[in-house]
Formats: sequence, C-alpha cells, structure tokens
Amino acid sequence: EPEVTQTPSHQVTQMGQEVILRCVPISNHLYFYWYRQILGQKVEFLVSFYNNEISEKSEIFDDQFSVERPDGSNFTLKIRSTKLEDSAMYFCASNLGTSGSDEQYFGPGTRLTVT
Amino acid sequence: AQKITQTQPGMFVQEKEAVTLDCTYDTSDQSYGLFWYKQPSSGEMIFLIYQGSYDEQNATEGRYSLNFQKARKSANLVISASQLGDSAMYFCAMREGRGGATNKLIFGTGTLLAVQP
Repeated sequence: EPEVTQTPSHQVTQMGQEVILRCVPISNHLYFYWYRQILGQKVEFLVSFYNNEISEKSEIFDDQFSVERPDGSNFTLKIRSTKLEDSAMYFCASNLGTSGSDEQYFGPGTRLTVT
Repeated sequence: AQKITQTQPGMFVQEKEAVTLDCTYDTSDQSYGLFWYKQPSSGEMIFLIYQGSYDEQNATEGRYSLNFQKARKSANLVISASQLGDSAMYFCAMREGRGGATNKLIFGTGTLLAVQP
C-alpha cells in the first residue's frame, strides 16, 4: 500500500539554525499539507499546497516558514531560524483532494527538537 | 470558539466491551466532513473513519462506527469489542467545505483511550 514518508524521523538543532524537513507524498496525490503537534497537544494545520503554490496557511505559518516542491516527488518544509517553541512533531500529509470523503494520509512524522 | 470539542481527555474500557468517544463540532458550512484518526504511542496518525455532512447513514468501518447526529453537531466514534491494541489517542477532525482548496483538517484535543484486560 502506498504511504507518505518523512525524513528524518528525529532532528535536533540549535536555536537560530535552519532546518529542512522532507516528505515524499503518495505519488498520484495532488494536495500536500504540513501539520505540527507540540508534545501533548492537538494537531495543528500549518499549510496546504496545490498546483505548486500555497493554497492556504495558518497564522502559525509566518515568514520563518516556507514550503517547496523541488521536484516531482519531494515536498519540504523549511524553518529559517528555529526557536525553542518550534519543537514539535511535524507531520506531512497528502490526498487527492477531489472528493469530500478523501482522507488525508499522514506520514510518520519528524520530531524536531530545538535546543 | 473551538471548532472541534472532545470533552473526554481520557477513557478506560474493558477488553471486548464497546466504548464511545465524544466529539462535537461547530461550523456554519452546510458541506463538511468529519474524520477520526488514531494515534498510537509510536506517534503516527492512522485514518479510521469518515462521515460527510450529507451522508444519511452513519459511517461504519469494521469495528468502528460513527454516531452522527447532525442537529446536535456531534460525531461520536463507537469502537465495538475493544482490543488491547486499541489503546491510543483518538482525534476527531473536521474539514469545512467540499474539499479542494478548503481541505485543511481542524483537530480536537484528543481522547486517550486505555483498554484494560
């Protein structure tokens, strides 16, 4: 069964450093998403991406964040200058987005720890 | 205001018993979708079941069923014949609109289910 993959599974970085989280969505999916989950809290939407551009973003997704689909398979989330409060699990998800019942498939997540 | 409310931070159930996890939602859209995801301790998010706002029948997927009460804006998850492997965090989520550009999911705070032998 096709699945969303994410690398790395765990990233430790120092405050102020740039990080890039990588995702490979399911190949025929059209919509891609990033969510984050601070430890012990709910999952929060960050951004959705369709047709090579951002279709929606949350207020969390400020100028420090950017997304890119550099080739036909990868989807990346970049945090330019990490803060302690960016420590969280980051989930990538994808779906076809063409029907209402179309669930989002989540990757296993990248745990980001900012020290 | 919370869009998705899960009022049970934690629940216990005996193995083989049924359990209901509560979820209420708030939206002014006529078209929306409701999803339940399971998050085991390993952290991944596993899709369980979907209910569309126009679906007249309650959704079922194996041991999972969704008790959808549109007038009350509730979408409770029922797990029948609980198994030890059902112990996990369960999230209710909503997608407003028909999909497409409004595909984002809004999640509740989750219910931690513990199945006891």
